[in-house]
This record gives sequence, structure tokens and C-alpha cells, in this order.
Amino acid sequence: AQTVTQSQPEMSVQEAETVTLSCTYDTSESDYYLFWYKQPPSRQMILVIRQEAYKQQNATENRFSVNFQKAAKSFSLKISDSQLGDAAMYFCAYRMRFAGSQGNLIFGKGTKLSVKP
Amino acid sequence: DAGVTQSPTHLIKTRGQHVTLRCSPISGHKSVSWYQQVLGQGPQFIFQYYEKEERGRGNFPDRFSARQFPNYSSELNVNALLLGDSALYLCASSLGGDYTFGSGTRLTVV
Repeated sequence: AQTVTQSQPEMSVQEAETVTLSCTYDTSESDYYLFWYKQPPSRQMILVIRQEAYKQQNATENRFSVNFQKAAKSFSLKISDSQLGDAAMYFCAYRMRFAGSQGNLIFGKGTKLSVKP
Repeated sequence: DAGVTQSPTHLIKTRGQHVTLRCSPISGHKSVSWYQQVLGQGPQFIFQYYEKEERGRGNFPDRFSARQFPNYSSELNVNALLLGDSALYLCASSLGGDYTFGSGTRLTVV
């Protein structure tokens, strides 16, 4: 069974600084997706960034980038120039690429990110 | 363009009661999934429906059931509520790519 582990329950960063959130996963599959979701107090899960396992290049979305290490099964999220609005719960998630009806998401337990002004 | 809408936003029920949660996907999205998020945890997969058929089920008891209607909206039903069913229930829809989540229904069982 696939599992996703986030070992940092809480992280804190100073506004405008850079922070890295860690995620490891376990799977025997070779083709899958990895995601980072943000959940603010409004509760809605918002997709931050997606990585396809078959792509060697790390995904980047504006201030957000990932460090995808497939052999190590590691998938960290780097937030540059942190802003107050980045404060939220961040969840790492995994999904098989070829599965019936896309397959379900498997989430980690989350990391609560605080941003200090 | 409306996102994924869930109703109600909050709900309080008594142990043993039944509850129905509703989800309207983004227009054109044919797949709807349900997740349970207990306080302090990540969401856990409950069901996935595609074109009105169940395509996946997580490790939840038979007290949990769901269905999808011809307009692709969906209902999640939970019978014989337990205190442990208190959680945020999230609905997500997709067309074939990424999932878009609603803001969830906060269910409290007392």
C-alpha cells in the first residue's frame, strides 16, 4: 500500500524568507503523480503544485518549487519570498497515474506553516 | 464559473442518526470523490464515482454509502452515526486531470 509521510507537524518562516516543507512517500509503482495542497482556515484544499513521476525536471509555480528525488522517494516543497497569505496547512499527496477513474489521492498528515511579519 | 459546492456547511447530529451530505461538481466534471478529514489529520478517501458508477471505495464501514445523479451531483450518506464520524467531509470533482475541492461540510456528532 502507498503511504505519504510528512515529518514536520509545524514550521515557521519570516516574511520574505524561504522555507522548505518535507515529504516522503512509499510506493512500488513507477508511474504516479505527487501534489502539494494548501488548506487555509477556509477549509478548501487548493492545489499548489503537481509533479509527474516520469518527468525528471522539478515543477515550479511562481514562488513555489519542488525537489523531487524519485529514487529516495522524497518530494519537498520550497516556498520563496514567503508572504503572510502563505500561512496554512500544507498537505503532500500521491496518486497513481494509471488507475481506474484516475485513482484516489493519498494524503500525508500535513504541516502547519506560520508566517511571521 | 462556480466551483465545487457542498451543502450544508455545518451540521450537528446525534449518535445513531442518519446524515446526507451533498456535492455539486464543477460544470462538465463527471467524476466526484468524497474524503473524510478528521481534525489534525490529512483527508482519507471514502468513495469515487464516475458517470454514476462507483469506481473506488476506501476503508470505511458499510454505514457509509454514496451515489451520483445524472447531473453528476453526488450525495454521501452515513447511517447510525458514531462520535468518531465527526469530521470535515470534502468533495472533489475532476474532468480527467486535477481534482478541485469544495470547502467541505463540518459534521459534529454529539
